[in-house]
Amino acid sequence: ETGVTQSPTHLIKTRGQQVTLRCSSQSGHNTVSWYQQALGQGPQFIFQYYREEENGRGNFPPRFSGLQFPNYSSELNVNALELDDSALYLCASSLPGTYGYTFGSGTRLTVV
Amino acid sequence: AQSVTQLGSHVSVSEGALVLLRCNYSSSVPPYLFWYVQYPNQGLQLLLKYTSAATLVKGINGFEAEFKKSETSFHLTKPSAHMSDAAEYFCAVSDKNNDMRFGAGTRLTVKP
Repeated sequence: ETGVTQSPTHLIKTRGQQVTLRCSSQSGHNTVSWYQQALGQGPQFIFQYYREEENGRGNFPPRFSGLQFPNYSSELNVNALELDDSALYLCASSLPGTYGYTFGSGTRLTVV
Repeated sequence: AQSVTQLGSHVSVSEGALVLLRCNYSSSVPPYLFWYVQYPNQGLQLLLKYTSAATLVKGINGFEAEFKKSETSFHLTKPSAHMSDAAEYFCAVSDKNNDMRFGAGTRLTVKP
């Protein structure tokens, strides 16, 4: 049992559309990070949120944005979808003062 | 900036043989190091982590890893491979802010 729930599990979108992916973390997990994992590659860091504010960002364009809510849920929004955005998107959260993340099972996004 | 390099994108062993997956890190600050396992169509599961305590770290499913600062390595080992160990393995490094970066992964195949 991971304690981190992501929805939906699979999603198909058309190029140019917008998508919102959701994540529900365990109570008390006030740090959440999102990762993009393309097929056959390692997870790439998109951004981190801490106490509802962006706390670090990887090499992703501004059309990737996020939100973190007081109830330990979070969202990843992607605008103007491109074919290369097709990937598994992973949400990961952690408790204060701990190192390492608990990961969700991911959302598989396919852009056609 | 922190990074990890996993040597060997694919490792194949016989059931009962030693498993050795290699990881070297680069970090300007004392690193926190992790090994995660990913089964097909699933998220990442933490195997073990090094957080500046004992240099030999024992994890789940019989895996262990040794932090060697002089070699900037954190190789993962298991004395005897089992068929159920077949999966993708990721080494990761983070700082105290949980800014975690992953390697490209090593696919472990176990032959009967």
